[in-house]
Amino acid sequence: EAGVTQFPSHSVIEKGQTVTLRCDPISGHDNLYWYRRVMGKEIKFLLHFVKESKQDESGMPNNRFLAERTGGTYSTLKVQPAELEDSGVYFCASSQVIGRAAGVGEKLFFGSGTQLSVL
Amino acid sequence: GENVEQHPSTLSVQEGDSAVIKCTYSDSASNYFPWYKQELGKRPQLIIDIRSNVGEKKDQRIAVTLNKTAKHFSLHITETQPEDSAVYFCAARNTGKLIFGQGTTLQVKP
Repeated sequence: EAGVTQFPSHSVIEKGQTVTLRCDPISGHDNLYWYRRVMGKEIKFLLHFVKESKQDESGMPNNRFLAERTGGTYSTLKVQPAELEDSGVYFCASSQVIGRAAGVGEKLFFGSGTQLSVL
Repeated sequence: GENVEQHPSTLSVQEGDSAVIKCTYSDSASNYFPWYKQELGKRPQLIIDIRSNVGEKKDQRIAVTLNKTAKHFSLHITETQPEDSAVYFCAARNTGKLIFGQGTTLQVKP
């Protein structure tokens, strides 16, 4: 089974430029999440898609960040214009709720992340 | 919203010793508590999880305990090995999303 894939693995851009990150979740996973980790801090929630709908975008820092998931498959996260504080590792994760009624938790599968450096 | 605090931020142990990482959460409605391990340059991977209706769960050398009253949960690794060296994250599920702690960098010295 293919895992969650993210592209690119690294991106170095200058302040004010635009960057688009892509995530391909595990096939069949309706839930897709974006997270970000700034050096030494927690993996911070950004937003959650259920299929193509934004379920929760309470973690999005500001309107320079735009996430889409057209067709409910892959997702993109665009940062425009990028600022220095946007640097960090952006993780995508996907899940398929399994037997919630049976008491089984929702297991999240992560991609390898995109290391974004804004100079 | 939910807030998860994790301690310590770094932990160094001798091979063969035990390691304990502790987390507290703020929202009593959280009901699922996974632990992720991230090795250098790799993706975070689920190593063990526990639901709120269970107090303890064990899988070989790793175990997790949950105290719902005190709102804290812990990861215990026994007989540590060098390959256990990694960053460990605890998390709590709240309103459909996981909220993570700050991470613990575990170093196991041979």
